[in-house]
Amino acid sequence: AQSVTQPDIHITVSEGASLELRCNYSYGATPYLFWYVQSPGQGLQLLLKYFSGDTLVQGIKGFEAEFKRSQSSFNLRKPSVHWSDAAEYFCAVAPNYGGATNKLIFGTGTLLAVQP
Amino acid sequence: NAGVTQTPKFQVLKTGQSMTLQCAQDMNHNSMYWYRQDPGMGLRLIYYSASEGTTDKGEVPNGYNVSRLNKREFSLRLESAAPSQTSVYFCASSEVAGTPSSYEQYFGPGTRLTVT
Repeated sequence: AQSVTQPDIHITVSEGASLELRCNYSYGATPYLFWYVQSPGQGLQLLLKYFSGDTLVQGIKGFEAEFKRSQSSFNLRKPSVHWSDAAEYFCAVAPNYGGATNKLIFGTGTLLAVQP
Repeated sequence: NAGVTQTPKFQVLKTGQSMTLQCAQDMNHNSMYWYRQDPGMGLRLIYYSASEGTTDKGEVPNGYNVSRLNKREFSLRLESAAPSQTSVYFCASSEVAGTPSSYEQYFGPGTRLTVT
């Protein structure tokens, strides 16, 4: 069965430091990949997505992610974290494409805390 | 442009009571989804509706029913609430299936439900 793993439940970084959040997936073919962010008390907002082509994708709020087929990974990065980036981050994969439904499978999330 | 709206934002129920969570979107999307979010488990799909007039079970449908009232509205009903249904419920929508962008889901702000 398809699955998404986010191995880090909780990460704390200092403001201004770089950030990398890990995401691994299990799927036979190249899936569509997504990162969502959830601020406290809010719904999820799409940060970026990968469908095909360039394996380094840029998103909103200065985030980027790199698809590595050999590692089945889609890690999220940011060069310099701001206090407002404190939130929970979810990786998601679309296991079936070209069909009648667009279901996503979500990872369990990584909670990011930012120290001043 | 309101996007995806959900009512109510908060609800407390006693075991055995029933209630309906409402969701509406104004983006002319064909597909709509209901998720529940529990700590450490990410988002799990309860039901989805690929298009008006169709609904299908997701990963955790037991104890829930849904109605796709029209293209805009998709409601989730708990007929006899149980403490295990204490959770945060999110509604989402996306474009018609068939294109990569149709996998981008847009989320409402959520309903926090407590069943005592």
